[in-house]
Amino acid sequence: DVKVTQSSRYLVKRTGEKVFLECVQDMDHENMFWYRQDPGLGLRLIYFSYDVKMKEKGDIPEGYSVSREKKERFSLILESASTNQTSMYLCASSLSSFSGNTIYFGEGSWLTVV
Amino acid sequence: TQLLEQSPQFLSIQEGENLTVYCNSSSVFSSLQWYRQEPGEGPVLLVTVVTGGEVKKLKRLTFQFGDARKDSSLHITAAQPGDTGLYLCAGEKTSGTYKYIFGTGTRLKVLA
Repeated sequence: DVKVTQSSRYLVKRTGEKVFLECVQDMDHENMFWYRQDPGLGLRLIYFSYDVKMKEKGDIPEGYSVSREKKERFSLILESASTNQTSMYLCASSLSSFSGNTIYFGEGSWLTVV
Repeated sequence: TQLLEQSPQFLSIQEGENLTVYCNSSSVFSSLQWYRQEPGEGPVLLVTVVTGGEVKKLKRLTFQFGDARKDSSLHITAAQPGDTGLYLCAGEKTSGTYKYIFGTGTRLKVLA
């Protein structure tokens, strides 16, 4: 089975702190994604990566950055956390960009910024 | 920006009832996927529909892709408490470097 593992399930951080959310996938997938999930808004794409060291902005990249140094690992960074970044963050991966590919999700990271 | 609207947003029904969830857009999609997300978990793929008018069945769940590939529906027959969860549709865009946009979600609760 494909496994996408997010290192932290629950985090509480203070405003202004730097936050790292780590994600690892074990199926040699090309594509990796970071989504943010908020009630009534669905999943919104923050960043995605289609190869090592390659990244592209999604719909809501402001306040976030990402790093993909190895194919299996995709990190989301909040340089200076703010309360409006309190949310559930989902990491995902897919094999390639071909049509109909399944997106596999991690279990999510609940971040609270106080 | 392409949008996917789901309706209803919330649904609470008794065990054994039937229900339909809708996913609508003004844009055409190459394919459409349905995911279910249980509390504390990430979404899990249920089905992918690709052809306009396509109907797929997964036990008591029936998925249909609209003829114009702009909308989709999920029908559940004789709902059970195990169907409780958040249902998300995801449309695959016909162009662009990243493919999928997700709907706003339908939160279903089936009462025993």
